[in-house]
Amino acid sequence: DAGVTQSPTHLIKTRGQQVTLRCSPKSGHDTVSWYQQALGQGPQFIFQYYEEEERQRGNFPDRFSGHQFPNYSSELNVNALLLGDSALYLCASSYSGGPYQPQHFGDGTRLSIL
Amino acid sequence: TQLLEQSPQFLSIQEGENLTVYCNSSSVFSSLQWYRQEPGEGPVLLVTVVTGGEVKKLKRLTFQFGDARKDSSLHITAAQTGDTGLYLCAGAGANSKLTFGKGITLSVRP
Repeated sequence: DAGVTQSPTHLIKTRGQQVTLRCSPKSGHDTVSWYQQALGQGPQFIFQYYEEEERQRGNFPDRFSGHQFPNYSSELNVNALLLGDSALYLCASSYSGGPYQPQHFGDGTRLSIL
Repeated sequence: TQLLEQSPQFLSIQEGENLTVYCNSSSVFSSLQWYRQEPGEGPVLLVTVVTGGEVKKLKRLTFQFGDARKDSSLHITAAQTGDTGLYLCAGAGANSKLTFGKGITLSVRP
């Protein structure tokens, strides 16, 4: 039973470019959340997708957008990249997204901005 | 703004020692979760606590949730080198949005 898978594992971009990160949830999970983890910090909530719609959003600018597909997989898009966007981007999946549902995390995509 | 503060930020101990670390919240969450994260990997869920005063044990790890559901502690008995990692606590709000603390970096020396 595959867990949460993310691709790519590492990515290097330059300022101003755009990037797309991908996530496949754990089998049986229908809710996908994205988090940004800067070096030495805990993860910060970006947004959550359920039934192909953004259900909740954290304190991130509109440059961060996402999508969920009918098979529950998800993409995170970031436009006009800034140096401060360098971080580990984590995807987490759960079933129906209730507060007591365990969330399973992928190993993340390490994004470096030059 | 809901905040979670974890202490201490860094801890280095000898194998075999006991330790306790803390997670304190400025507000009440629906549940509180503890994760462990190793370098290059995503966080792995250790435990979820829901009820005030709840105590859960996972082998040598004991988790306690405060009566007011705003603070939690993690106690490790006879630490092993395999316990080394970043320990994160997270409060779960509506629809499972997680608010994380900054984490506690634990190093267990052989």
